[in-house]
Amino acid sequence: QVQLQESGPGLVKPSETLSLTCTVSGDSISSFYWSWIRQPPGKGLEWIGYIYYSGNTNYNPSLKSRVTMSVDTSKNQFSLKLTSVTAADTAVYYCARDPLARDGYTRNAFDIWGQGTMVTVSS
Amino acid sequence: DIQMTQSPSSLSASVGDRVTITCRASQSIPSYLNWYQQKPGKAPKLLISAASNLQSGVPSRFSGSGSGTDFTLTISSLQPEDFATYYCQQSYSTPWTFGQGTKVEIK
Repeated sequence: QVQLQESGPGLVKPSETLSLTCTVSGDSISSFYWSWIRQPPGKGLEWIGYIYYSGNTNYNPSLKSRVTMSVDTSKNQFSLKLTSVTAADTAVYYCARDPLARDGYTRNAFDIWGQGTMVTVSS
Repeated sequence: DIQMTQSPSSLSASVGDRVTITCRASQSIPSYLNWYQQKPGKAPKLLISAASNLQSGVPSRFSGSGSGTDFTLTISSLQPEDFATYYCQQSYSTPWTFGQGTKVEIK
C-alpha cells in the first residue's frame, strides 16, 4: 500500500525559500506522477504542480515563477521549493499521487495523499 | 484555467436527509471530474472518480453523476460521519483545479 509523508520546516521567514520533501513508501516513485497541493487555513485546495521520475514537471502558472520540483529516485523522494515566500504562502502543504498516469495521457484522480504539513511564513 | 464552481457553499442537513451538491465547470470536461471529502485536520479523501466511479470502501450512499459541464454528488441518506467539506476537482487539463468546497453541517 502506497503511503506518502511530507517533511520540512514548519516556519519560514518572509522572502526566504520554503523547502519540503515527500517520501514515498510501498511503491517505486518511478511508477507515477507526483503532485504538491496546498490549502491556506480555512480555505480551499490549490494544485502547485507535478513531477515525474524523469524530471518532467508541470507547474501551476499562478506559482510557476517561484516553484521548483525535483526527484531523488535513490531515496524514493520528491521535493518542492517555493522562493520569495510571503504570508500568503502560509498553508498546509500536501503531497499526493497525481491524476496523470504513467502513459502521460490517462487521467485519474488524486487517490493517495500525505497527511499534510503546516508551513507558516512569519518573521 | 478551468474554473470549478460548487453550490451551495454550505448547507445544513439532518441525519437521514438526501443531500445534493452541484459542481459546474467553466468549459466541457467530459467525465474528468472527481469528488473528495475532507474532515477537519485531515487530508482530502477520494470518494468518486471519473464523475461516477465509486472508490473501493466508500459507502454506496454516495453517488456521482453528470458529464460535460454539470456534475452532482448525492448522499442518499446522510450519516453522522458524513459531516465534512466536499470538493470537486477536474482532471481534464492542467492546471488541475478544485471547486471552492461545500461544507455540510448538522442541522
